[in-house]
Amino acid sequence: EPEVTQTPSHQVTQMGQEVILRCVPISNHLYFYWYRQILGQKVEFLVSFYNNEISEKSEIFDDQFSVERPDGSNFTLKIRSTKLEDSAMYFCASSEGQGSNTIYFGEGSWLTVV
Amino acid sequence: AQSVTQLGSHVSVSEGALVLLRCNYSSSVPPYLFWYVQYPNQGLQLLLKYTSAATLVKGINGFEAEFKKSETSFHLTKPSAHMSDAAEYFCAVSDQDQGAQKLVFGQGTRLTINP
Repeated sequence: EPEVTQTPSHQVTQMGQEVILRCVPISNHLYFYWYRQILGQKVEFLVSFYNNEISEKSEIFDDQFSVERPDGSNFTLKIRSTKLEDSAMYFCASSEGQGSNTIYFGEGSWLTVV
Repeated sequence: AQSVTQLGSHVSVSEGALVLLRCNYSSSVPPYLFWYVQYPNQGLQLLLKYTSAATLVKGINGFEAEFKKSETSFHLTKPSAHMSDAAEYFCAVSDQDQGAQKLVFGQGTRLTINP
């Protein structure tokens, strides 16, 4: 079964450093997402992306965050200057946008900011 | 705004017993409802979803859920628990089924199966 893959699985970074989390969505999917889950809290929507632009973003997704689809396969989340409160599991997801439109999630990238 | 409440952050049942995981939602528009499961060290996997076609929805691994509008509920059940069902379960709601979906999740319920 096709799957969403994410790298790295775990990253430790110092506060103030830039972090890029990478994702390879399912190949025929058109919609891409990032969600995050702070330890012990709910999974939260960050951003959706379609046709090379953001279609919706949450209030969490401030100017420190950006997303990009640099080529035909990768979808990245960049955090410009990490804060301690950015420590979380970040999930990438993708969907076809029509039909069953199931959202498929990756295994997550665990980010620890120290 | 939409929201989801999952009653019980931890549920423990014996192998072979009924599994019941509770989910209540709030939505100002007709909701689309989902149950996802997360096994250890894995991503979120869709168990089933309600899209208004039928109120009783059957999913993978013997799970099913019933949409009850009057109770604003979408509880997940399985008649007979198996050890492999041990995982974290998330209920989610969305206001659309096509295009870019924004899922609003509950806090999750960790299911433990006792031998």
